[in-house]
Amino acid sequence: SQQGEEDPQALSIQEGENATMNCSYKTSINNLQWYRQNSGRGLVHLILIRSNEREKHSGRLRVTLDTSKKSSSLLITASRAADTASYFCATSRDDKIIFGKGTRLHILP
Amino acid sequence: GAVVSQHPSRVICKSGTSVKIECRSLDFQATTMFWYRQFPKQSLMLMATSNEGSKATYEQGVEKDKFLINHASLTLSTLTVTSAHPEDSSFYICSARDPGRTPKNIQYFGAGTRLSVL
Repeated sequence: SQQGEEDPQALSIQEGENATMNCSYKTSINNLQWYRQNSGRGLVHLILIRSNEREKHSGRLRVTLDTSKKSSSLLITASRAADTASYFCATSRDDKIIFGKGTRLHILP
Repeated sequence: GAVVSQHPSRVICKSGTSVKIECRSLDFQATTMFWYRQFPKQSLMLMATSNEGSKATYEQGVEKDKFLINHASLTLSTLTVTSAHPEDSSFYICSARDPGRTPKNIQYFGAGTRLSVL
């Protein structure tokens, strides 16, 4: 079964606005990762947050983790057209990475 | 660094033929590689874990005789879809971890292979 569940499934926003995607998971984790996938391509690792961290920044990305609620959020600030992609959260289990269903983000010009 | 190359990027074949997909780690050695399948607008489903020098570990529901995995060297894993049928049409993606980097469980992905079986 899927470990991570993202919401919303799809999100369209105007360029320049902030985009927030959420992820919930079911079991305990050591860390949680976010990946990006452009249409028809492989995934690119964006950021990893450890279970003992609450917030992490990388450029225009901000990730939060709430282990008590088993949830994480990915915020992309000042969105650009090039941010249009699918975003997946991923958790580790038994040395494997399990991906959520993803959020399809579309940035409108 | 940490580049994974996957080939071919697209393949169209007739039903009943076998298709081989290659996954190479270009600048690191990968004792473990992963094969995923992705349907349109859906998530990646792990098919199997490819282990260098030993048998692959398949996820529940994945037919190992249908999806043959060979990991003969530290930089190459292959997935062969045997006797492909239209229902095998999908996007197949490989990934690998670089044991020389930290954190260790970040995966580096190939660009994927779009398989279309006619």
